[in-house]
Amino acid sequence: DTAVSQTPKYLVTQMGNDKSIKCEQNLGHDTMYWYKQDSKKFLKIMFSYNNKELIINETVPNRFSPKSPDKAHLNLHINSLELGDSAVYFCASSQVGSEYGTYNEQFFGPGTRLTVL
Amino acid sequence: AQKVTQAQTEISVVEKEDVTLDCVYETRDTTYYLFWYKQPPSGELVFLIRRNSFDEQNEISGRYSWNFQKSTSSFNFTITASQVVDSAVYFCALRGYSNDYKLSFGAGTTVTVRA
Repeated sequence: DTAVSQTPKYLVTQMGNDKSIKCEQNLGHDTMYWYKQDSKKFLKIMFSYNNKELIINETVPNRFSPKSPDKAHLNLHINSLELGDSAVYFCASSQVGSEYGTYNEQFFGPGTRLTVL
Repeated sequence: AQKVTQAQTEISVVEKEDVTLDCVYETRDTTYYLFWYKQPPSGELVFLIRRNSFDEQNEISGRYSWNFQKSTSSFNFTITASQVVDSAVYFCALRGYSNDYKLSFGAGTTVTVRA
């Protein structure tokens, strides 16, 4: 009954390959996110989807393409992997409220450690 | 633009000591939300506490307490009577009241609690 799950947990691949990371949440949230955590532990937003609609697209190479088939899933596909893509990728979800004062705290998945060789 | 600064890179304490983590933020939003997350050595990110910009009342929850001061744009977090299991990286995060809902994180403070 994990709230936010990601697969795989570890991903080791060669430069130039294409890979996908899957994320699912069972919290009934309407917004999902992808964050990247680099080797220095710095966390940065990559994408966000609200009700399957892209609402955040930070400065991320076009090789990264998120896909949200439904509100509970947000997958991340990466083409032509590069050494610099090695990082931990976190999926998160929150319920975005319209009421003043809604916190919308985000709940994170366990992370996917991507290593590009 | 939003910015979160955690000036302390690493803190090392002996068990049972109190630990205070500093967080200073910048935002143009008049309404915003602040959070603390914990990342233990196992790697997951765990939500700890939250505070909104219009509620400056400080609170205590178990061994955690937080001190939010709007005048100095600070949102400090204290662990009382630290335990070895508190060893982790702690992140302060900020979300402005806008349509994108993204969290801006500080660089994190690594807390090591020695037995």
